[in-house]
Amino acid sequence: DAGVTQSPTHLIKTRGQQVTLRCSPKSGHDTVSWYQQALGQGPQFIFQYYEEEERQRGNFPDRFSGHQFPNYSSELNVNALLLGDSALYLCASSPGTGGDEQYFGPGTRLTVT
Amino acid sequence: QKEVEQNSGPLSVPEGAIASLNCTYSDRGSQSFFWYRQYSGKSPELIMSIYSNGDKEDGRFTAQLNKASQYVSLLIRDSQPSDSATYLCAVNEYGNKLVFGAGTILRVKS
Repeated sequence: DAGVTQSPTHLIKTRGQQVTLRCSPKSGHDTVSWYQQALGQGPQFIFQYYEEEERQRGNFPDRFSGHQFPNYSSELNVNALLLGDSALYLCASSPGTGGDEQYFGPGTRLTVT
Repeated sequence: QKEVEQNSGPLSVPEGAIASLNCTYSDRGSQSFFWYRQYSGKSPELIMSIYSNGDKEDGRFTAQLNKASQYVSLLIRDSQPSDSATYLCAVNEYGNKLVFGAGTILRVKS
């Protein structure tokens, strides 16, 4: 049973560029949530996708956008990158109406220079 | 006031001892509570979930919930050096949005 997968593992971008991160949920899960984790902090909720719609959004600017595909996989897009966007980006999947335990992928380490 | 608060530690315990990790939360309407373990450089791993007042045991781990006091704790019995990690408390708010504390660093000394 495959767990949550994310790609790429690491990414280095320049300030002002755009980035796309990808996530495939755990088998049987239909809900994907994205979190940002800065060094020494707990993960911060960015948004959640269910049935290809953004269901909830945290306190992040519109530069952060996402998408969910019919196969439940998801993308996180960040435009106009700032140095402060450097963080570990985590994708978590959950079974939606079947329960609320969220399982995290390995994360994507984004460095903005 | 932070929504979920944890002592940052580090909490140091000798091998074989009981480690006690604590968490308080502000939203009285929260219904689901989770403990995650995060090793350095890795992603959080779910180790316990608890939904009702009282204790829930799973192997060496016991989660305790007191909704009246808005308090969640995690006990780790017979602590091992491999338990050394950051432990994150998370509270489910408004339908599947997890709010995390900053985490408590646990160090188990052999």
